[in-house]
Amino acid sequence: QVQLQESGPGLVKPSETLSLTCAVSGDSIIGSPHYWGCIRQAPGKGLEWIGSLYFGGDSYYNPSLRGRLTMAVDASKNEFSLRLTSVTAADTAVYYCARLNGYGRRIDYWGRGTLVTVSS
Amino acid sequence: SYVMTQSPSESVAPGQTARIACSGDNLKGRSVHWYQQKPGQAPVLVVYDDDDRPSGIPERFSGSNSGNTATLTISGVEAGDEADYYCQVWDSGSGVHWLFGGGTKLTVL
Repeated sequence: QVQLQESGPGLVKPSETLSLTCAVSGDSIIGSPHYWGCIRQAPGKGLEWIGSLYFGGDSYYNPSLRGRLTMAVDASKNEFSLRLTSVTAADTAVYYCARLNGYGRRIDYWGRGTLVTVSS
Repeated sequence: SYVMTQSPSESVAPGQTARIACSGDNLKGRSVHWYQQKPGQAPVLVVYDDDDRPSGIPERFSGSNSGNTATLTISGVEAGDEADYYCQVWDSGSGVHWLFGGGTKLTVL
């Protein structure tokens, strides 16, 4: 069974950088045919895809975040990470790590999510 | 950019059939996936590729996709089906590759 576990800061100050790590178990990012990514959900709002990557291949970022978002893989730890710079209150959300199926483009495994609040 | 529209809310009595719609231009040309999200929990995939069910999802959940509208149907609705439901497609054109509808809150009366 594939599992994803988010590790995040909980609280980030405006204009600073949000760093999130997603640990994967039950599947190997290396050589996987699937994408790995993040979806967020602002309080009381809907789901928003923010970015995905494919080991050894392309990264895709939501155009609304382009320029602030970077994602990377740490193959030795079977983890991937997200860095979102210059955060504002609008980035306050629950951030979910996810496996995005490489064949059907569905999201078949989700982490439990971690709330990140942007506040001074 | 591609847009999918969902009604914000639907309500149904227990035992009845709920139909949750997702509309978009020529949606039939895309594979539609559906997620159920209960309060405080991560979303769960309940239907994929228009009408397939992941293992462990009850047969009460089914999907269809025709023309500009995809529909998630829940037969014999139970109190535990009360949740938010989101449709999702892959869109290669706009840059927002994994695109969600706005979500529908299903209330079981």
